[in-house]
Amino acid sequence: GESVGLHLPTLSVQEGDNSIINCAYSNSASDYFIWYKQESGKGPQFIIDIRSNMDKRQGQRVTVLLNKTVKHLSLQIAATQPGDSAVYFCAETSENAGGTSYGKLTFGQGTILTVHP
Amino acid sequence: DVKVTQSSRYLVKRTGEKVFLECVQDMDHENMFWYRQDPGLGLRLIYFSYDVKMKEKGDIPEGYSVSREKKERFSLILESASTNQTSMYLCASSLDAGELFFGEGSRLTVL
Repeated sequence: GESVGLHLPTLSVQEGDNSIINCAYSNSASDYFIWYKQESGKGPQFIIDIRSNMDKRQGQRVTVLLNKTVKHLSLQIAATQPGDSAVYFCAETSENAGGTSYGKLTFGQGTILTVHP
Repeated sequence: DVKVTQSSRYLVKRTGEKVFLECVQDMDHENMFWYRQDPGLGLRLIYFSYDVKMKEKGDIPEGYSVSREKKERFSLILESASTNQTSMYLCASSLDAGELFFGEGSRLTVL
């Protein structure tokens, strides 16, 4: 089946730098994408989402960019802080997943972000 | 805030034992999910449920079953645990398509 994947399994940055985490997806029918953050010992937490009718969406210190032409998704974190250290997952779904939209997400493998003080 | 509670954070079981993993959500969400998480493989969907007594197979349902007798509770059952089911199990719920709210996870070790 089709899957979502990440280019880099690890990313190490200095505190205050900007971080960019990338994700490639292969299902051209995907129309909704989410980024999750998972801290050690915890379940994944929602960060930001984007629908396929948009190419950019901004949150607090985070921006998600979507390039449908090359099926690429990225998460940008501004002024990265030690508390941002975690595993970041992209996930995708489509309105046709399972025949109806039950929130059935397909996750990428994850990128480990380490922020050095 | 949405709270998804998984009954056990850590379990150790023996091969062949029956294992129950319980999950409860408090936001009246229609949809509930069980994922397993393994290093390098990300999160893989085992089963999901979009209504009471309804269930659908995910990507890796073999060796598992589920039960949803009440809206707030979704149980994952391993009828006869095997060592390759050693993993982190994550329960999630959602109101509609999109954002999933996850529990803290249950780390199962099968000896």
